[in-house]
Amino acid sequence: DGGITQSPKYLFRKEGQNVTLSCEQNLNHDAMYWYRQDPGQGLRLIYYSQIVNDFQKGDIAEGYSVSREKKESFPLTVTSAQKNPTAFYLCATKTRDFQETQYFGPGTRLLVL
Amino acid sequence: KQEVTQIPAALSVPEGENLVLNCSFTDSAIYNLQWFRQDPGKGLTSLLLIQSSQREQTSGRLNASLDKSSGRSTLYIAASQPGDSATYLCAVSWNSGNTPLVFGKGTRLSVIA
Repeated sequence: DGGITQSPKYLFRKEGQNVTLSCEQNLNHDAMYWYRQDPGQGLRLIYYSQIVNDFQKGDIAEGYSVSREKKESFPLTVTSAQKNPTAFYLCATKTRDFQETQYFGPGTRLLVL
Repeated sequence: KQEVTQIPAALSVPEGENLVLNCSFTDSAIYNLQWFRQDPGKGLTSLLLIQSSQREQTSGRLNASLDKSSGRSTLYIAASQPGDSATYLCAVSWNSGNTPLVFGKGTRLSVIA
């Protein structure tokens, strides 16, 4: 079964806690992206990675961190510095082909307790 | 700043009606433009991708047009069905195909049976 897996589907964070969202893909895509979506809003880019061991900040990187140790995996950590983490988080992947689209995972909804 | 705007934010139509969703973008030097569909609580699904050299793309009942000079794209849905109810997002890539997409806030479509 090919595709993009995000886990967990729902995640609860306590005040001051760091949490990590998982994104795994078996599409052999080079590029991976993390977006945040708030109600009634479009997607805002948090971080992206074009190749293993390299990543770049997006528009709203503050309070988040990522790693890209393997091609298949691009985990996102929401740190305690992110004061308003409640949102829907989407992971996406893309090939090097400039004419190809992005493929999205099912998302993780993060809620603060 | 490169921005994408979608109007209206929400649209409700009776089943069978043809409809048009609008997307506008600053800076006409785009690389490509994409339309996505998002069902509530789900990830995004790519509908149509238009390269900067193209004027339109068609898939089934969907037709997307691109007018770079005016900074506009439209998504035309023919003979709408209740199953078309979803949020439709427009996204633009500037400079190169691997530049991160910039998303509009989407149009939430309801097709009433």
